[in-house]
Amino acid sequence: AQTVTQSQPEMSVQEAETVTLSCTYDTSESDYYLFWYKQPPSRQMILVIRQEAYKQQNATENRFSVNFQKAAKSFSLKISDSQLGDAAMYFCASVDSNYQLIWGAGTKLIIKP
Amino acid sequence: GAGVSQSPRYKVAKRGQDVALRCDPISGHVSLFWYQQALGQGPEFLTYFQNEAQLDKSGLPSDRFFAERPEGSVSTLKIQRTQQEDSAVYLCASSPAGGGRNEQFFGPGTRLTVL
Repeated sequence: AQTVTQSQPEMSVQEAETVTLSCTYDTSESDYYLFWYKQPPSRQMILVIRQEAYKQQNATENRFSVNFQKAAKSFSLKISDSQLGDAAMYFCASVDSNYQLIWGAGTKLIIKP
Repeated sequence: GAGVSQSPRYKVAKRGQDVALRCDPISGHVSLFWYQQALGQGPEFLTYFQNEAQLDKSGLPSDRFFAERPEGSVSTLKIQRTQQEDSAVYLCASSPAGGGRNEQFFGPGTRLTVL
């Protein structure tokens, strides 16, 4: 069975600096997808970034990038030039051959002005 | 274009009552997912629809939980004889394509409190 682990319940970063959120996963499949979703306070969950396991190149979306280490089953999210609007819960998730996203417990990101 | 909407946003039920939670996905989206999110936790998969077909209901915690999407658009999650452990936020998400590998668009959730 798939598992996703986020070992940092809370992280804080100074505005404009860089922060990395950790995620490890376990799956027996060779073909799977990984996601980072963001859930701002009292607002909807939105996709931050998506990575296909067969692609070696790390996905990037503007200030957001991932460090995908397939052998180590690690999928960390780097946020550069942190902004106040980045404050949220961040969830790592994976899906293999079926429909079920398996989610981590989340990391609360605090941005210090 | 409207996003995914859910109603009611908040529901308080007495233990033993039946509740119905509604999800309006983005028009034309093929896939619809229901999740249960306990306080301070990540979402847990409940069930998946592709159009009107319920392809996976393995995450439904008991036979008190029932979901339907009869015309392939609006979906309803029904919980019979609610228990305190059912208290959670119920999230609905839709996706334009089949399967779980594409971006999912989430609604605001329904916060259910069972007294």
